[in-house]
Amino acid sequence: SQTIHQWPATLVQPVGSPLSLECTVEGTSNPNLYWYRQAAGRGLQLLFYSVGIGQISSEVPQNLSASRPQDRQFILSSKKLLLSDSGFYLCAWIDRAGANVLTFGAGSRLTVL
Amino acid sequence: DAKTTQPPSMDCAEGRAANLPCNHSTISGNEYVYWYRQIHSQGPQYIIHGLKNNETNEMASLIITEDRKSSTLILPHATLRDTAVYYCIVRATGYSTLTFGKGTMLLVSP
Repeated sequence: SQTIHQWPATLVQPVGSPLSLECTVEGTSNPNLYWYRQAAGRGLQLLFYSVGIGQISSEVPQNLSASRPQDRQFILSSKKLLLSDSGFYLCAWIDRAGANVLTFGAGSRLTVL
Repeated sequence: DAKTTQPPSMDCAEGRAANLPCNHSTISGNEYVYWYRQIHSQGPQYIIHGLKNNETNEMASLIITEDRKSSTLILPHATLRDTAVYYCIVRATGYSTLTFGKGTMLLVSP
């Protein structure tokens, strides 16, 4: 079966510290992968998407970067966190060979202090 | 992606049908209508999608008007656990990105 794993679930980081959120998908190959962010009380904002290994598209300029070192692995990073980076980060994938349904992970809640 | 318009909030009594409208007057012929919902502090969950015909699954029904300019998501017997933000999205298959609007906050009350 197809599953998506995202970790850590929650983290509290000081301003200026680095960040690494990881997402992996099982049970499929060559998926489209996505990182969304949801700030408190706000909507879902698409940050990055990837259609293949090493291929990253950025939707908004920001303090974050993404990488896809393997087919089913998507990593969100920052070298120095800002207060404004706080939010709920969601990884998602689409099986391009299937019904094109976007499936989300459980999310990672980041608080920057 | 074509733009969608949804009411910001709706109320529904438990056990009654919840009918959530969505306008997508600029939808293109190859764009599907997708519905997702997001329960507080969780990732969004896929509900249903359709192109022209009405669709039904174990969660909901999707009614698309003949001109495809609007649709309605129907939860036939709403429960308290259906309280969530519901997103209507139009998207062509094969298109890389999926853009979420503000959605409709559905509050189901006892």
